[in-house]
Amino acid sequence: QVQLQESGPGLVKPSQTLSLTCTVSGGSIRSDTYYWSWIRQRPGKGLEWIGYIHYRGTTYYNPSLKSQVSISVNPSKNQFSLYVSSVTAADTAVYYCARNQGYNWFDPWGQGTLVTVSS
Amino acid sequence: EIVMTQSPATLSVSPGERATLSCRASHSVSTSLAWYQQKPGQAPRLLIYGASTRATGIPLRFSGSGSGTEFTLTISSLQSEDSAVYYCQQYNSWPPACTFGLGTKLDIK
Repeated sequence: QVQLQESGPGLVKPSQTLSLTCTVSGGSIRSDTYYWSWIRQRPGKGLEWIGYIHYRGTTYYNPSLKSQVSISVNPSKNQFSLYVSSVTAADTAVYYCARNQGYNWFDPWGQGTLVTVSS
Repeated sequence: EIVMTQSPATLSVSPGERATLSCRASHSVSTSLAWYQQKPGQAPRLLIYGASTRATGIPLRFSGSGSGTEFTLTISSLQSEDSAVYYCQQYNSWPPACTFGLGTKLDIK
């Protein structure tokens, strides 16, 4: 079955850009049925949807984060990526990638990766 | 933005009993509602979508109901492994967007 795995630096300095990649295995990212998402969870807090992308490049973002984030896709590598610019301590979180059925529910999820913003 | 409110924040129930978790939307989301279970150190797991459809492999003791603005997740015959935080999520917005509730922490006594 489809599995997702996040990768990227675990530590980012304030004001820099956070970059993460999600690698999809067990299935192709080239599907008209699915969107591919990023969600984050600050320490001890709830879940926050960041945005999602279709393999053809269509993106939708959380309006509250839109000015700070971007998502790209690389179908040839079966990967999609998240970029968060000008990070602060408030961006410290576990970042998850997940697959969306259309614009709908998230399933499955990656295991998550902790990113800490600190000098 | 559609705001999702979950109650109670914490629930403590004995094994074998039933737990009822609530989720309220600030605007109608029809049946565009999902439930997730998250255990410590793990990613969330999809339990229910479309307000009442169990995801693949989810035990029958998990059931969802509701439509519009009021939703319920019921877990019958509670087991110790059901101890987790449960989140609801709506996906009825246009342009596409989704929001999560803050979660209900379920403790099995």
